[in-house]
Amino acid sequence: GENVEQHPSTLSVQEGDSAVIKCTYSDSASNYFPWYKQELGKRPQLIIDIRSNVGEKKDQRIAVTLNKTAKHFSLHITETQPEDSAVYFCAANSNQAGTALIFGKGTTLSVSS
Amino acid sequence: NAGVTQTPKFRILKIGQSMTLQCTQDMNHNYMYWYRQDPGMGLKLIYYSVGAGITDKGEVPNGYNVSRSTTEDFPLRLELAAPSQTSVYFCASGTGGETQYFGPGTRLLVL
Repeated sequence: GENVEQHPSTLSVQEGDSAVIKCTYSDSASNYFPWYKQELGKRPQLIIDIRSNVGEKKDQRIAVTLNKTAKHFSLHITETQPEDSAVYFCAANSNQAGTALIFGKGTTLSVSS
Repeated sequence: NAGVTQTPKFRILKIGQSMTLQCTQDMNHNYMYWYRQDPGMGLKLIYYSVGAGITDKGEVPNGYNVSRSTTEDFPLRLELAAPSQTSVYFCASGTGGETQYFGPGTRLLVL
């Protein structure tokens, strides 16, 4: 089945810097890759997603890139702000298990002002 | 439109007790999922359903059961609670293969 690896597990940046989180997946049949942001004690919230027919997608300060050949995708946050501090999860859909999402273990992003 | 709702928000169980975690969605989604999230970890799939009357096991189904009698509801049953089931449980729904919408979670402590 699908396996998703996420790095780094923690990331500390200064306000205004960029942050990059990387994920790899194992199942070449996966075709949907969302990123979720989870604040302490809250539910995961979708922030951006990308499908396998697209190489890059951008939404204001966040962008996601996908390399299908290498089976990896990345989240880029530019001009980070303290409110970006949270745990970020990447995921890939599984063609088994009712197309459920398989999640990475998360990256704790801390943005200091 | 409430989205995905879960009850209770928090519960303490004694070892060996049973309980049902409730999940309801009002978006008419066919696909529903139960995940558990342990501290510092990602979410792991417990059970899923692709429509009323159809359920199947995910990665970590042992100790749990589900049913799906209606499109809206997908309860998760814990039988004989164990300390290893201490976790935060999230229900999610979607149209299949893409965006999933999560409920607010149920925090469960088994002592």
